[in-house]
Amino acid sequence: DVQLLESGGGLVQPGGSLRLSCAASGFTFTRYAMSWVRQAPGKGLEWVSSMTGSGERTYYADSVKGRFTISRDTSKTTLFLQMNSLRADDTAVYYCAKDAIAVARNPWYFDYWGQGVLVTVSS
Amino acid sequence: SYVLTQPPSVSVAPGQTARITCGGKNIGSKSVHWYHQKPGQAPILVVYDDNERPSGIPERFSGSNSGNTATLTISRVEAGDEADYYCQVWESDSDEVIFGGGTKLTVL
Repeated sequence: DVQLLESGGGLVQPGGSLRLSCAASGFTFTRYAMSWVRQAPGKGLEWVSSMTGSGERTYYADSVKGRFTISRDTSKTTLFLQMNSLRADDTAVYYCAKDAIAVARNPWYFDYWGQGVLVTVSS
Repeated sequence: SYVLTQPPSVSVAPGQTARITCGGKNIGSKSVHWYHQKPGQAPILVVYDDNERPSGIPERFSGSNSGNTATLTISRVEAGDEADYYCQVWESDSDEVIFGGGTKLTVL
């Protein structure tokens, strides 16, 4: 069974940094794009970033470009999101999501999601 | 960037049909995917590629997409269908995943 387990969330001050992890299992990690999607309290879903299964392409929302970096460790089948220069409006539950399409050039749609991890940016 | 517009809320009585729209410029030329999300839970894919259902999703869930509007249709609505519903596309012009703002489905 596919499992996605996020970790690394918590409380951080504005301007601070945090690294989220998503441990993946139950599928061939390098065949599927992986993404981060967030949801601010009481708000809708917002896509944050994606990486293709090959690792060759990364994509970012304008709201995080230049501050967040997506990466992975294929030996540990773990996806990361390095978040720098955090702001109050980055406060959200961050979900890790697996793409449904194998060997795609870009993310397409998400067939599995993690349970989410809360990031709170506040002084 | 590309915008997907959903009604904030839709209400329907049990056993009736709910239709949730997702508007976007020429959205009929894109593949639209739908998720539902219950409070405190992660989203779940209910329709992909406009009108395909993942395994385990009841036949009551269907989709259509044409022109500037995609629609998620839920037939014979049940109390358990009450959730937030989101449409989503991949926008190739700007290399972004786009979500609609979400629609809260209330079962009366």
